[in-house]
Amino acid sequence: AQKITQTQPGMFVQEKEAVTLDCTYDTSDQSYGLFWYKQPSSGEMIFLIYQGSYDEQNATEGRYSLNFQKARKSANLVISASQLGDSAMYFCAMRGHMTQGGSEKLVFGKGTKLTVNP
Amino acid sequence: SQTIHQWPATLVQPVGSPLSLECTVEGTSNPNLYWYRQAAGRGLQLLFYSVGIGQISSEVPQNLSASRPQDRQFILSSKKLLLSDSGFYLCAWTAGPGLLEQYFGPGTRLTVT
Repeated sequence: AQKITQTQPGMFVQEKEAVTLDCTYDTSDQSYGLFWYKQPSSGEMIFLIYQGSYDEQNATEGRYSLNFQKARKSANLVISASQLGDSAMYFCAMRGHMTQGGSEKLVFGKGTKLTVNP
Repeated sequence: SQTIHQWPATLVQPVGSPLSLECTVEGTSNPNLYWYRQAAGRGLQLLFYSVGIGQISSEVPQNLSASRPQDRQFILSSKKLLLSDSGFYLCAWTAGPGLLEQYFGPGTRLTVT
């Protein structure tokens, strides 16, 4: 079974600085995908970035980059030049399998609350 | 472009009352649809999954049920709510197998009193 671990319940960063949010995963699959979502106080889950297990380069999307270290089974999210609007919960997730039917689902970590200070 | 709606946005219901939460998707056909629950300060727990009309898979045994009467409509229901059903309910969709990102709706915050 797939498992996601986010060990930082909360993180603080100064505006305009970079911050790294940690994520480790466990899976026996050879092919898998890793995701990061942002959840602001409004509650909506916003997709940020995706990394496939066979992707040779780290994924990047604007100020977001994913530091993928396959041997360590880690997929840390790096946010550069933090903005006040980045304050939110951040969830790491990976593609897993349903208990019925073999269809796919997302397995989520417990999240990290990021606070950006002015 | 695709959009996903959830109704209502917030709901306060007494224990033992029924529940119906609605999720609709626009701009796509035959999506895979998901219901998640998020307890306060916790991650997301997958409740139900549907690959098509009338096809529902349940991930965890519980007091809730789901139905998909139309291609782009997904409904979460309960006959009698429990206090433990309180939480934030999120609906999500994907374009089909070979899952890449899921897109989430705005959520429904349910408080059972």
